[in-house]
Amino acid sequence: AQKVTQAQTEISVVEKEDVTLDCVYETRDTTYYLFWYKQPPSGELVFLIRRNSFDEQNEISGRYSWNFQKSTSSFNFTITASQVVDSAVYFCALSEAMWNFNKFYFGSGTKLNVKP
Amino acid sequence: GAVVSQHPSWVICKSGTSVKIECRSLDFQATTMFWYRQFPKQSLMLMATSNEGSKATYEQGVEKDKFLINHASLTLSTLTVTSAHPEDSSFYICSARDLSGGLETQYFGPGTRLLVL
Repeated sequence: AQKVTQAQTEISVVEKEDVTLDCVYETRDTTYYLFWYKQPPSGELVFLIRRNSFDEQNEISGRYSWNFQKSTSSFNFTITASQVVDSAVYFCALSEAMWNFNKFYFGSGTKLNVKP
Repeated sequence: GAVVSQHPSWVICKSGTSVKIECRSLDFQATTMFWYRQFPKQSLMLMATSNEGSKATYEQGVEKDKFLINHASLTLSTLTVTSAHPEDSSFYICSARDLSGGLETQYFGPGTRLLVL
């Protein structure tokens, strides 16, 4: 079974629209980390956020915000007022205490197309 | 912040040749590094965990004799794709584990695109 599921394969929005990328995870560990990475066409992964399992407080960073809900095992990512530069593939990832946080389980990614 | 570099950034080789990819942590020591493979339009899949001074740990389904990993120093891990074939063409990404500062973080390299003709 997949540990991280990103059901949205590809999303297209028009600039200035808000968009939410979904991430659902599965783990038996009580201690784990969740991540979001951005992968532009160049391929380099850009770290966006890390959240540990004990911190359910939502976070906002500029136009980015994250909604972590343990009750539904979700860690959704919202971009407000999207811009063309936001176009990329976004990956959600999970690392578990069981593996000493060594193993990263990546979701399949969501490709975001922001059109001008 | 911490930086991980990879060299080369892209490589084209003939089928049957071996290719070495380097992963370096530039401003921190990494006792553990990781190698991932990403096929076009797919996710990153962990291939192996590279530990300084010891043998690498490979994920199920990854041929250790084909993907040789050497972690000879605290700042360098190498992945050698031996007798490469077209199906090995992929984007290879390394990451390095930074334990300094009391907060563990993994930093990803920029990736190496391998095309085997």
